[in-house]
Amino acid sequence: GQSLEQPSEVTAVEGAIVQINCTYQTSGFYGLSWYQQHDGGAPTFLSYNGLDGLEETGRFSSFLSRSDSYGYLLLQELQMKDSASYFCAVRPVGSASKIIFGSGTRLSIRP
Amino acid sequence: GAGVSQSPSNKVTEKGKDVELRCDPISGHTALYWYRQSLGQGLEFLIYFQGNSAPDKSGLPSDRFSAERTGGSVSTLTIQRTQQEDSAVYLCASSLGDSSSYEQYFGPGTRLTVT
Repeated sequence: GQSLEQPSEVTAVEGAIVQINCTYQTSGFYGLSWYQQHDGGAPTFLSYNGLDGLEETGRFSSFLSRSDSYGYLLLQELQMKDSASYFCAVRPVGSASKIIFGSGTRLSIRP
Repeated sequence: GAGVSQSPSNKVTEKGKDVELRCDPISGHTALYWYRQSLGQGLEFLIYFQGNSAPDKSGLPSDRFSAERTGGSVSTLTIQRTQQEDSAVYLCASSLGDSSSYEQYFGPGTRLTVT
């Protein structure tokens, strides 16, 4: 089967760094994406790792290790507006363009 | 440019009624997806359209659910004989195509409440 696992909730302090992990069980996939969703809003694309390693986009970075079946999203210099749910997602090989989403991690930022 | 739009934004219906949800993808995007999201949950894949190819309907939960895409653009998701468990936010997304499916653009969703 194919599944993605994320912590359900993470709490961090404004200005700090937080890492949201995503572990997966799938026979093969093209890459790992991350999406952000604020309460009542639509998911928005954050980053994509097609290859192993680190991708950096401003305060956000994402990492993928296929050998470890593991990825993470790193958020630096946390701001209150970063309070949201974060989803990892994969496109399994052989699934056309179907995307499998994790159940999401709710990030709460404290002043 | 304009993003993905969906209508209606909210729909309240009685159990047993049929509903139609509409999605307008970003112009030029050939791939269109429908998802369902229950409160506090992840996104559940429903159906995928790519160009003129046959849709991938593998995520539709029952035969009460159907969707079509006309002219490679607008899509309609139809739920017949609605049940209370159908209550959720229905999200539509589009992407440039297969190779860009990792980057999807989502609409604001339709919140469906079945009473």
